[in-house]
Amino acid sequence: QQPVQSPQAVILREGEDAVINCSSSKALYSVHWYRQKHGEAPVFLMILLKGGEQKGHEKISASFNEKKQQSSLYLTASQLSYSGTYFCGTGGYSGGGADGLTFGKGTHLIIQP
Amino acid sequence: DTAVSQTPKYLVTQMGNDKSIKCEQNLGHDTMYWYKQDSKKFLKIMFSYNNKELIINETVPNRFSPKSPDKAHLNLHINSLELGDSAVYFCASSRRGSGWEKLFFGSGTQLSVL
Repeated sequence: QQPVQSPQAVILREGEDAVINCSSSKALYSVHWYRQKHGEAPVFLMILLKGGEQKGHEKISASFNEKKQQSSLYLTASQLSYSGTYFCGTGGYSGGGADGLTFGKGTHLIIQP
Repeated sequence: DTAVSQTPKYLVTQMGNDKSIKCEQNLGHDTMYWYKQDSKKFLKIMFSYNNKELIINETVPNRFSPKSPDKAHLNLHINSLELGDSAVYFCASSRRGSGWEKLFFGSGTQLSVL
């Protein structure tokens, strides 16, 4: 089951903040966040496993709600290097088996100077 | 050293041909995957494979077949290529099943079917 990402696209000025949401109709085992720059492979940002968990990575952080049905990615004081497409990926429906991540449709983030 | 490497980077071919994409990982991971990214950038799982099981996304045509000579390699064979197969194909690996482990992606293969 594909998670739903919103918004589809965001245009920001450098220094502004953004929030990207990822939701599912059923509880998730985990949520992954990846960023993909044009012409490159997706790169892992972080993974959340527990309800209520929050994680940070420099000025990028994420949360996983208590019911484990929604995650949000927060980009604070955005930099030009943050531009790209952000994907949330959900997996482990079969209890962590090798069934791969199912990705949302992505959020295109454009940071302007 | 590249963790996940795939070749070729670009593949241009005619409809009806058969082609292969190779993937190798040097991370010692147990699980490897193939993903397809279409022109709208949607990333879709095609296969996941470890030593014990192959899991196939039911929407993948049987013209696509993964072949794993050993734990470090997962190649993708495509028979009778069609225009709709044009996409970027990413190989990926994880230490175990990806529910709890991050994915490492190869750099992608841009397949163009003419």
